[in-house]
Amino acid sequence: QSVLTQPPSVSAAPGQKVTISCSGSSSNIGNNYVSWYQQLPGTAPKLLIYDNNKRPSGIPDRFSGSKSATSATLGITGLQTGDEADYYCAIWDSSLNIGVFGGGTKLTVL
Amino acid sequence: QVQLVESGGGVVQPGRSLRLSCAASGFTFSTYGMHWVRQAPGRRLEWVAVIWYDGSNKYYADSVKGRFTISRDNSKDTLYLQMDSLGAEDTAMYFCARFAGNQWDSWGQGTLVTVSS
Repeated sequence: QSVLTQPPSVSAAPGQKVTISCSGSSSNIGNNYVSWYQQLPGTAPKLLIYDNNKRPSGIPDRFSGSKSATSATLGITGLQTGDEADYYCAIWDSSLNIGVFGGGTKLTVL
Repeated sequence: QVQLVESGGGVVQPGRSLRLSCAASGFTFSTYGMHWVRQAPGRRLEWVAVIWYDGSNKYYADSVKGRFTISRDNSKDTLYLQMDSLGAEDTAMYFCARFAGNQWDSWGQGTLVTVSS
């Protein structure tokens, strides 16, 4: 059980938009930057979003991130079958010096 | 390009030890903090441990504290994880990851550890 709560699964049709939430508290999400990771089946995680809303080089602008006081959201537009994966939010808690990952959300593109 | 290659996984009996390695290349290893993250079969990612770029600080998840030791050899561009008193709950894929800013920006492909009698 993680302190960062994600829905276990979400689904949408190709071409549609989906959002994945990551709920925490003022002490974790509220005080730290949120990052998001995509894990395709059988592969290592890949950084999608960092510092709440920034995209690394090579990540398409179909992926976006936002953060409020105690939660964060990953948005994916123009869904493709290749987006089917597990998505994780995470923080580095700089006050406790621990890493925290959300429970993960399985995205199905119907 | 950044490359992280883990090794050392395998099948080990409960109570025994195992040492994992992570060979880094394509970047200046000695300037980055490095982490271990694990994932039990069908489960979520779980942060395990971190070591500062110069080895001066190390922190652990409560689940491994006192049993696991993270270390690094900057002359060999290699990260290690010494795992002692292994239990079934330690069965997982173990990933090493580079930490940059506030995120894990590069990951290895993982090495599988199975604790079983």
